[in-house]
Amino acid sequence: ILNVEQSPQSLHVQEGDSTNFTCSFPSSNFYALHWYRWETAKSPEALFVMTLNGDEKKKGRISATLNTKEGYSYLYIKGSQPEDSATYLCARTNAGKSTFGDGTTLTVKP
Amino acid sequence: DGGITQSPKYLFRKEGQNVTLSCEQNLNHDAMYWYRQDPGQGLRLIYYSQIVNDFQKGDIAEGYSVSREKKESFPLTVTSAQKNPTAFYLCASSIARRYEAFFGQGTRLTVV
Repeated sequence: ILNVEQSPQSLHVQEGDSTNFTCSFPSSNFYALHWYRWETAKSPEALFVMTLNGDEKKKGRISATLNTKEGYSYLYIKGSQPEDSATYLCARTNAGKSTFGDGTTLTVKP
Repeated sequence: DGGITQSPKYLFRKEGQNVTLSCEQNLNHDAMYWYRQDPGQGLRLIYYSQIVNDFQKGDIAEGYSVSREKKESFPLTVTSAQKNPTAFYLCASSIARRYEAFFGQGTRLTVV
């Protein structure tokens, strides 16, 4: 992996469904992995910052895991709600700068 | 209220003109960043600064210039050398690179 890659590109789920996204990144010279949520017409907001292999973070119905050795992170949303609809960005930080993936756009239908 | 402010929200310029985008923060953050977003793509780093009077090129710095004379301010100039300047520009700041970034509302630049 040379760049930060996110999958899937977009996702449509029904309210109440649980879902997850993947962020893959170069594992060498890793410093930190960030997840952001970007709602339409708003600024991106930070969800999690993770630095250690095996880190797990949770905020309400949203959680994330990190594997720095193999270079991936998962974001999980349990019981999706319409207000979870947004683009979810991950960013790998190294040497003072962050490289973003193209994001996963989640649409939750009522 | 603490935050990061970009102005203007929308900007129109004629081709060949330089234009400066403003970014101000009152969060006392040392690090500031400029990103560009094109349709269907993620955020690409233009320039970043980790301390006053110092800045580094990001991944797509050609055709752009910045200054960091004050901790609170990190203006971005889009020069006539930037071949495709029409885009959405986001400014961000953070305590340091390890920490979460706070973003402004963005400036949508259209060059005609």
